[in-house]
Amino acid sequence: DQQVKQNSPSLSVQEGRISILNCDYTNSMFDYFLWYKKYPAEGPTFLISISSIKDKNEDGRFTVFLNKSAKHLSLHIVPSQPGDSAVYFCAASGTNAGKSTFGDGTTLTVKP
Amino acid sequence: ETGVTQSPTHLIKTRGQQVTLRCSSQSGHNTVSWYQQALGQGPQFIFQYYREEENGRGNFPPRFSGLQFPNYSSELNVNALELDDSALYLCASSLAGLAVHEQYFGPGTRLTVT
Repeated sequence: DQQVKQNSPSLSVQEGRISILNCDYTNSMFDYFLWYKKYPAEGPTFLISISSIKDKNEDGRFTVFLNKSAKHLSLHIVPSQPGDSAVYFCAASGTNAGKSTFGDGTTLTVKP
Repeated sequence: ETGVTQSPTHLIKTRGQQVTLRCSSQSGHNTVSWYQQALGQGPQFIFQYYREEENGRGNFPPRFSGLQFPNYSSELNVNALELDDSALYLCASSLAGLAVHEQYFGPGTRLTVT
């Protein structure tokens, strides 16, 4: 029973366009949702998070939207850059992010 | 300020053997979490250590055990290795009480069980 799902294994986008990565969850008790970015041979790096009491959080080119009724969140990257090419993980947790539940990741490729 | 480091980088073991993986947390961090990332999947929470005590455990059998030392570094021990234990093992450190996103991952140890 996977509590956090990323249904798109891969996404390819042209440089300058918007990238939208999606994530669904089943447990309504999660307090926080986080996005991590992972390059090969490196550990995941925190990108952006959102509290369950909010519906939007923005940080520069990155915006996360949370739809609690649909148990769905999305990460928007605008404009997309080739350096954004990486694996993106969606994660959910209580107040302790060190016990996060991760999705299986989406590989984003941004083409020049 | 040093980041999270893990050793060794790669390891090959035979089924039935035991293995110890090591993690040095970021300076000042007192909490270490361990995750297993199988090929094509996301990291899966194994357990967390806070102030040298286990502070929560995921769905892993008792042959997965850990330690945290007074300097907050940590070890992950796996006994009776199985082929399915082949994975990337990640540790992440954090400081209890900080913002929820303040969890820093190491580069991982790639374990192959043959």
